[in-house]
Amino acid sequence: QVQLVESGGGVVQPGTSLRLSCAASGFTFSNYDIHWVRQAPGKGLEWVAIISYDGSYKHYADSVKGRFTISRDNSKNTVFLQINSLRAEDTAVYYCAQDWRKMALDYWGQGTLVTVSS
Amino acid sequence: DIQMTQSPSSLSASVGDRITITCRASQSISSYLNWYQQKPGKAPKFLIYAASSLQSGVPSRFSGSGSGTDFTLTISSLQPEDFATYYCQHSYTTAIPWTFGQGTKVEIK
Repeated sequence: QVQLVESGGGVVQPGTSLRLSCAASGFTFSNYDIHWVRQAPGKGLEWVAIISYDGSYKHYADSVKGRFTISRDNSKNTVFLQINSLRAEDTAVYYCAQDWRKMALDYWGQGTLVTVSS
Repeated sequence: DIQMTQSPSSLSASVGDRITITCRASQSISSYLNWYQQKPGKAPKFLIYAASSLQSGVPSRFSGSGSGTDFTLTISSLQPEDFATYYCQHSYTTAIPWTFGQGTKVEIK
């Protein structure tokens, strides 16, 4: 069955960096675009970024453009989200999700919590 | 960016009730509208795509409608497992980011 497992979250200080990973299994990973979505504590969902199946295009929300970088390694069935210059407002659960027909987000991981605090 | 606005922000209902949640886009998105359900501490679940098509395995008591800028999600007879927060999201291809509505929390009356 399709599984997406995020990792790499934790408590970090403002201004530092973090790399989140999303390990996929149960489907042909190299055929699918992957999204990152985040959710601040008690708040709604915020779409963050997308990477195409082959890594050839990437798009970001304006709120993270220039600080976040999405990448993937199809040989390892893994997508990464590099987060630089972390801010308190980046505190959230970060989910990765499998794209569905370039129309929606189908399978989601369980999320990884990033807490930015001094 | 396209803004998505849901109403109400929350509602209280009883098992067996029919409820409707509204989602409005700031510009026309044709039928590129999805609905998700999220329970506390869990990842969202994909319910409806293209405004009115149920994803595989979603109970038929869920339905969606609309096009252009105005959309609705209806649950015909609320079940205990339906108490959750519901989000709309547009997926208008040329309009990244695919923004979400702010969510509608459905609570037990």
